Parts: sequence; structure tokens; C-alpha cells
Amino acid sequence: KQEVTQIPAALSVPEGENLVLNCSFTDSAIYNLQWFRQDPGKGLTSLLLIQSSQREQTSGRLNASLDKSSGRSTLYIAASQPGDSATYLCAVTFGNEKLTFGTGTRLTIIP
Amino acid sequence: DGGITQSPKYLFRKEGQNVTLSCEQNLNHDAMYWYRQDPGQGLRLIYYSQIVNDFQKGDIAEGYSVSREKKESFPLTVTSAQKNPTAFYLCASWAGYEAFFGQGTRLTVV
Repeated sequence: KQEVTQIPAALSVPEGENLVLNCSFTDSAIYNLQWFRQDPGKGLTSLLLIQSSQREQTSGRLNASLDKSSGRSTLYIAASQPGDSATYLCAVTFGNEKLTFGTGTRLTIIP
Repeated sequence: DGGITQSPKYLFRKEGQNVTLSCEQNLNHDAMYWYRQDPGQGLRLIYYSQIVNDFQKGDIAEGYSVSREKKESFPLTVTSAQKNPTAFYLCASWAGYEAFFGQGTRLTVV
């Protein structure tokens, strides 16, 4: 079964610190991987998309990496801010156009 | 603006009622999806449609129904057969490489 796992479920860090969120998946034959942000009671906002042929993508303070051989992706957030507090979801497309989601990491940035 | 519109934002259902959640997109995407989100859990796929007049069951389709008569629209009906419908429902469309989501509908059984 194709599964996506995110650990930890929750993370609190002081403002200004750099941090890494983790995502692991069970099948290396992926089409792409997306990182989303979700604020409470809201929909999902796409942050970064990594195609299977890519190793990383960057947008501002965010950097996402992909290692298919180990079944892992990381989302690196530099110089964290209180506005970064949200739930971050990793979603993998395993080639059949169906996104499979992890359970998310709830991030709290402490001012 | 291009995007996905879900309505209503909040919906209340009485026991035994069917209710329909709306999802409209003007992105010209062929594929559309419905997900359910429960507290502390990831998104679970209910139904998806890759083309007009065609749709497939996802992982938790029981108690739900959909239609895809137009490319722009993919309504989800929560039937009385769904015993625990209280959840947050999210609609998405697929650009061939990237997914885009609406703002969700929160359904509560009263």
C-alpha cells in the first residue's frame, strides 16, 4: 500500500530559528511531491512542487528536497516567523493522478 | 480570478437528510477530487473524476455520491447512508502536474 508519513505530528520552535519538516513515502515510483500549508479552518495552499526528476525546489525562505531512493522529502524553513505557524502537509502522486496525503505537522512559532 | 470555489462554507445537516456540497472551477482542469479531513488525520479521498461524465470511487466512497456533467462542476452529495458525516470537505482540481484546492466546506450534523 502506498503511504505517506509525517513526523513529528507537532513542532514548536522559537522565532528566528531554522527548522526542517519531514515526509516519508513507501513507494519510490512517484510522479511528484507537493508541500501544502493549511491554516485553521481553511483550504490548502500549495507551497512547493517537486517533480520526480528534480532534487529540490526553493521559494523565498522555503526549500524542499526530494530523495526518491530513500523515500524522503524535507521542507526547510529559514528564519522562522510567527506567521509561519500552520499545519504543513506533504502529498505524493504515485503516478495515477491521486494525491496521497500525510497526516501533517502542526508548526507553532513562538514569538 | 481563476480558482476553485466551494460553497457553502458552513453546512448543517439533520439526521437522515441528504446534502450537496458545491465545487466549481474555472481553471479548465480535467481532473477534480473530493477529500474529507477529520481532526488529527490527513486528507482521505472520497471520489475523483478525470474527465466529464466519468468518476471513480476513492478510499472512503460509501455514503457519498458525485456527478460530473460539466467540466467546471463536481458536486458531492452526502447521503443519509453516511453515518458520520461531520467533517471538513475539500475539493481540488489537477493541472496535470499540480493540485489546487478550494477553501473547504465544514459539514456538521445537528
